[in-house]
Amino acid sequence: EAGVTQSPTHLIKTRGQQATLRCSPISGHTSVYWYQQALGLGLQFLLWYDEGEERNRGNFPPRFSGRQFPNYSSELNVNALELEDSALYLCASSFRDRWNTEAFFGQGTRLTVV
Amino acid sequence: GDSVTQMEGPVTLSEEAFLTINCTYTATGYPSLFWYVQYPGEGLQLLLKATKADDKGSNKGFEATYRKETTSFHLEKGSVQVSDSAVYFCALSEPDGGSQGNLIFGKGTKLSVKP
Repeated sequence: EAGVTQSPTHLIKTRGQQATLRCSPISGHTSVYWYQQALGLGLQFLLWYDEGEERNRGNFPPRFSGRQFPNYSSELNVNALELEDSALYLCASSFRDRWNTEAFFGQGTRLTVV
Repeated sequence: GDSVTQMEGPVTLSEEAFLTINCTYTATGYPSLFWYVQYPGEGLQLLLKATKADDKGSNKGFEATYRKETTSFHLEKGSVQVSDSAVYFCALSEPDGGSQGNLIFGKGTKLSVKP
């Protein structure tokens, strides 16, 4: 069974541009979570989507946004990129409301802003 | 707000040594507690978990006990192997309120095991 898959693996963007990151959850999982893993800051919660709706949001500015599609895959969009947005972005998925016991993570997208 | 504090690394041990990685937490309610492991070039994997006080999570020789009185969830292994070299993250989740969907992580502890 395929795990959580993320694309692209690496992404290089210029300051001010937009980045789009994609995540496909494990089959049957309806919830998708996004985390930012910045150097020296650990993992920080960005967004939680379930059944196509945003359920919760971390302490990030509005230029971090996303959506979840009917097949439960998800996109994370980062607008007006800043240098400090450079980080590993991790996606996780779970069955609905099982986020605190059975979240599975992908390998991440490494975003570099230059 | 809720937070997790874990010992800073890197931690370097010889094979078969005893491992302890300390983790303490601050939470307003009754969180679930987790240890995740991140091997080089990979995403996070759930290593073990405990959902209530005095529960012991265990997996692959690793153990951690949920201690409410000391708000701790220390990770231990009696005999580490080179293959245990990775970054270990302690995390908590609050089931209620605005923290839903949000795993709160410590900053991670890098473990290197030498043969």
